[in-house]
Amino acid sequence: GAVVSQHPSWVICKSGTSVKIECRSLDFQATTMFWYRQFPKQSLMLMATSNEGSKATYEQGVEKDKFLINHASLTLSTLTVTSAHPEDSSFYICSALRDRVTYEQYFGPGTRLTVT
Amino acid sequence: AQKITQTQPGMFVQEKEAVTLDCTYDTSDQSYGLFWYKQPSSGEMIFLIYQGSYDEQNATEGRYSLNFQKARKSANLVISASQLGDSAMYFCAMREMDSGAGSYQLTFGKGTKLSVIP
Repeated sequence: GAVVSQHPSWVICKSGTSVKIECRSLDFQATTMFWYRQFPKQSLMLMATSNEGSKATYEQGVEKDKFLINHASLTLSTLTVTSAHPEDSSFYICSALRDRVTYEQYFGPGTRLTVT
Repeated sequence: AQKITQTQPGMFVQEKEAVTLDCTYDTSDQSYGLFWYKQPSSGEMIFLIYQGSYDEQNATEGRYSLNFQKARKSANLVISASQLGDSAMYFCAMREMDSGAGSYQLTFGKGTKLSVIP
């Protein structure tokens, strides 16, 4: 089946620094990828929709200047958490849209971010 | 109003028994899709089953079946012959499609934690 990878799988950073998370579709091209955030014991909340070659579409309440999304190629989207704070600590999951007809989405394994 | 409601925060089931996880949804779209995902403690989201709003038959995938009752707007997941490895969080999700090609987003419920007892 289709595989989506995320790197790193976990990261610890100091408050005020920036962290980049990569999401790659390994065996298919994904013009659309999604970024979700999941707090402990809660559901996935969509943060933004990333479209290759264009600006990301952010959900209401998500700061676009804090969560920078770049989708520069058909297999890679990156999420950069800028000036991270402890409240940004969370599990970040990406998904890639494989097929615009069947709407299949494949999820990455997630990245656990801890900001100290 | 929540678009996806999962009323069971936690469920227990005996190994080899069947279990039903509830999901109700709210949409005014005529075209939509319903999904169930499994999330083990490792965190990855594993796709289980899909039901389209125009599908007349209930979806089945191995031990998973989706009890789709359109008039009641419910899409319950049935897991037959539970196994210890089924212990995980289960999320119901919906994609609303009436707005056209841009409507690829999924809206998730809050999840149900299933624990299988040996």
